[in-house]
Amino acid sequence: GIQVEQSPPDLILQEGANSTLRCNFSDSVNNLQWFHQNPWGQLINLFYIPSGTKQNGRLSATTVATERYSLLYISSSQTTDSGVYFCAVVTSGTYKYIFGTGTRLKVLA
Amino acid sequence: SAVISQKPSRDICQRGTSLTIQCQVDSQVTMMFWYRQQPGQSLTLIATANQGSEATYESGFVIDKFPISRPNLTFSTLTVSNMSPEDSSIYLCSVIMAGVYNEQFFGPGTRLTVL
Repeated sequence: GIQVEQSPPDLILQEGANSTLRCNFSDSVNNLQWFHQNPWGQLINLFYIPSGTKQNGRLSATTVATERYSLLYISSSQTTDSGVYFCAVVTSGTYKYIFGTGTRLKVLA
Repeated sequence: SAVISQKPSRDICQRGTSLTIQCQVDSQVTMMFWYRQQPGQSLTLIATANQGSEATYESGFVIDKFPISRPNLTFSTLTVSNMSPEDSSIYLCSVIMAGVYNEQFFGPGTRLTVL
């Protein structure tokens, strides 16, 4: 099956810093989402981005499907950005999302 | 997006017992799924809940351990049977909305601890 690897696995930032999170996948995908899991366990949808670039406030994402990766950019990080970031993908011929390994982010005040 | 609720939000259970988790959505959805997230791990798909028929289970998950029902378009239950401490996890339901092409939304999760 498809492998979905995220890097880095852990990241510690000072408030105000910028960061880039990466999601690599081993096969072609039809759909890709980025989620933020807050410290209470709630999964929050960030982007539905099977291809191209999107921006929402301080966050933006880019997926290059032909090269099998996606990037999530966080600018001017805040302590509320702390948590785990997951990408999840759907491969051709299925409807099921497969989750990546996750990046655990901690933003220090 | 829909409002997705799960009950209970958390529970502490004894080994050998069973727990049924409910997932309710406030609008019609095309697909419903159940995931497990073990401590410190990513999410793993347990099964697709099919309306009015048996769920479709992923490799490593069986109906006897995780029976699932979905009697209508907006409601599903997952039972964790004959629990052991290894079943301690967060269990999440997710949905794909009718008319929202393939974007998945998650419920708040059920945090289960088995003693």
